[in-house]
Amino acid sequence: QITLKESGPTLVKPTQTLTLTCTFSGFSLSSSGEGVGWIRQPPGKALEWLTLIYWDDDKRYSPSLKSRLTITKDTSKNQVVLTMTNMDPVDTATYYCAHRISDGAFNIWGQGTVVTVSS
Amino acid sequence: DIQMTQSPSSVSASVGDRVTITCQASQGISSWLAWYQQKPGKAPKLLIYTASSLQSGVPSRFSGSGSGTDFTLTISSLQPEDFATYYCQQANSFPLTFGPGTKVDIK
Repeated sequence: QITLKESGPTLVKPTQTLTLTCTFSGFSLSSSGEGVGWIRQPPGKALEWLTLIYWDDDKRYSPSLKSRLTITKDTSKNQVVLTMTNMDPVDTATYYCAHRISDGAFNIWGQGTVVTVSS
Repeated sequence: DIQMTQSPSSVSASVGDRVTITCQASQGISSWLAWYQQKPGKAPKLLIYTASSLQSGVPSRFSGSGSGTDFTLTISSLQPEDFATYYCQQANSFPLTFGPGTKVDIK
């Protein structure tokens, strides 16, 4: 059974760097074909894909946020870490990590973590 | 980037109704399309992948169809637990993109 859970600060100040950790179980991110992505959702708005990392360390980023995002993995800890620099109030959202299947969809999602950007 | 649009943006329906939601991609995505259901305060749940494949554990009243640029999600007989917001997502190319959502509420 695959599970994922996001952790990190609930409140960050403008210009600060956000670091979120996705801790997962039920699969290995060193196994061929596996991937974990980050998706966010501002309050009352639609889902927005941010980034994805594959088992072979291939990384993909949203072009609009690429300069601010970094995704890394620690296969020994079963964790994926998202870093987003220069946070702004418009980045206030629920941030989800999710397991990506080979057919491109995200089949299992974490519960999400709410991040508020405010001074 | 591939833009995804959905219609309608909201629909009011009754239990037992047949509901159809459409999703259109700005360019062809073959069958690389997924549908998700999201209830308030909850994470999205995968319903359909590769346009028409039913995710394990999802009731058979949900079905998907389409290819290229035009896709549909159909709920054959709406149940009380189906009132939610539905999103499509293209998986053809990066950046991955989601539609704006369709809210299904009680008539």
